[in-house]
Amino acid sequence: NAGVTQTPKFQVLKTGQSMTLQCAQDMNHNSMYWYRQDPGMGLRLIYYSASEGTTDKGEVPNGYNVSRLNKREFSLRLESAAPSQTSVYFCASSEGLAGGVYEQYFGPGTRLTVT
Amino acid sequence: DAKTTQPNSMESNEEEPVHLPCNHSTISGTDYIHWYRQLPSQGPEYVIHGLTSNVNNRMASLAIAEDRKSSTLILHRATLRDAAVYYCIPPGAGGTSYGKLTFGQGTILTVHP
Repeated sequence: NAGVTQTPKFQVLKTGQSMTLQCAQDMNHNSMYWYRQDPGMGLRLIYYSASEGTTDKGEVPNGYNVSRLNKREFSLRLESAAPSQTSVYFCASSEGLAGGVYEQYFGPGTRLTVT
Repeated sequence: DAKTTQPNSMESNEEEPVHLPCNHSTISGTDYIHWYRQLPSQGPEYVIHGLTSNVNNRMASLAIAEDRKSSTLILHRATLRDAAVYYCIPPGAGGTSYGKLTFGQGTILTVHP
């Protein structure tokens, strides 16, 4: 049981390049999330997927797109990377949104640098 | 939106209790109070949640004020492994709307041997 896995662990991009961050979970969770964490800051939600087939914007969605490929996988795409997107990206999953209890499980993160 | 106030940092000695406070005065409805922590170079991990009464689990205890406008995370015997940033997630639309967690700056806990 690996929990939440993310690939790659590290990435360096040039301004204008594109890339996709991959996330997978093996806990049969319904909901998945992408957050970013800038140095010395708390996490900010980029996009989330309440259930397979749905995605919604979070606090900072500009410059990103997401795909909920199936129940296990949720990818984040940067179409044209900018230095402001240099950050650590975390994927998370949870059973769902009902009940008011939000126990989310986080992956180890992808450290992205855009030069 | 609900907001939280936490001390920027706290220090403790190993095997001593630690009380981490959080004010969430703009609380709304009957939403749960959540605490997460983030160990160095790792993703956040869930610690505990509560609604109105005190809660205990294997990691920590959560003491919630009667008016729910503040809470305290209690680590009964701090270990070096507990050194982390502790986040109090405000209840309600500002913190846990539709399952989304809003992380503030948190409290950096340093544990001395």
